[in-house]
Amino acid sequence: GQSLEQPSEVTAVEGAIVQINCTYQTSGFYGLSWYQQHDGGAPTFLSYNALDGLEETGRFSSFLSRSDSYGYLLLQELQMKDSASYFCAAPPGNQGGKLIFGQGTELSVKP
Amino acid sequence: SAVISQKPSRDICQRGTSLTIQCQVDSQVTMMFWYRQQPGQSLTLIATANQGSEATYESGFVIDKFPISRPNLTFSTLTVSNMSPEDSSIYLCSVTTAAHYEQYFGPGTRLTVT
Repeated sequence: GQSLEQPSEVTAVEGAIVQINCTYQTSGFYGLSWYQQHDGGAPTFLSYNALDGLEETGRFSSFLSRSDSYGYLLLQELQMKDSASYFCAAPPGNQGGKLIFGQGTELSVKP
Repeated sequence: SAVISQKPSRDICQRGTSLTIQCQVDSQVTMMFWYRQQPGQSLTLIATANQGSEATYESGFVIDKFPISRPNLTFSTLTVSNMSPEDSSIYLCSVTTAAHYEQYFGPGTRLTVT
């Protein structure tokens, strides 16, 4: 089967750094994406890794290790507005655009 | 990028009735999807809406319960048929553009079945 595992919740303080992990099991591998969803809002795309290594986009970075079937999202200089749910997602094989989502990690940023 | 609107934004329906949700995109897109998200849960893919042909359903979802139309490259509808309280959820449509890994989501339709 196909699955993506994430911690259910993470708590951190403003200004800190937090890492949200994702381990995956899919039929073939075609990249790992990350989405952010604020309460009551729609998911929005954050980043994508197709190859091993770190991708940096401002305060957010995403890392992938294909040999370990593992990735993480790194959030730096946390702000209160970063409190949201974060989902890793991957295509279930080479099926053109479909995504399977992890269960999501609820991040709470405290003052 | 793509801008997506959905109608209605929310509804309260009686069991046994049906609701049709509309999804409109501001540009022509090839891939359009429908997801369900129960409160506090992840997104579950219901089906891929194919233009000009029948939708492709995921395991556990059937056309009789969730009929989908896709008359053109900018519009799709999802009907939730013969509703029960278990259908209470948020229903989201999404699209991909050139970057297949990046999906754009509509604001969602919050459905409550009583």
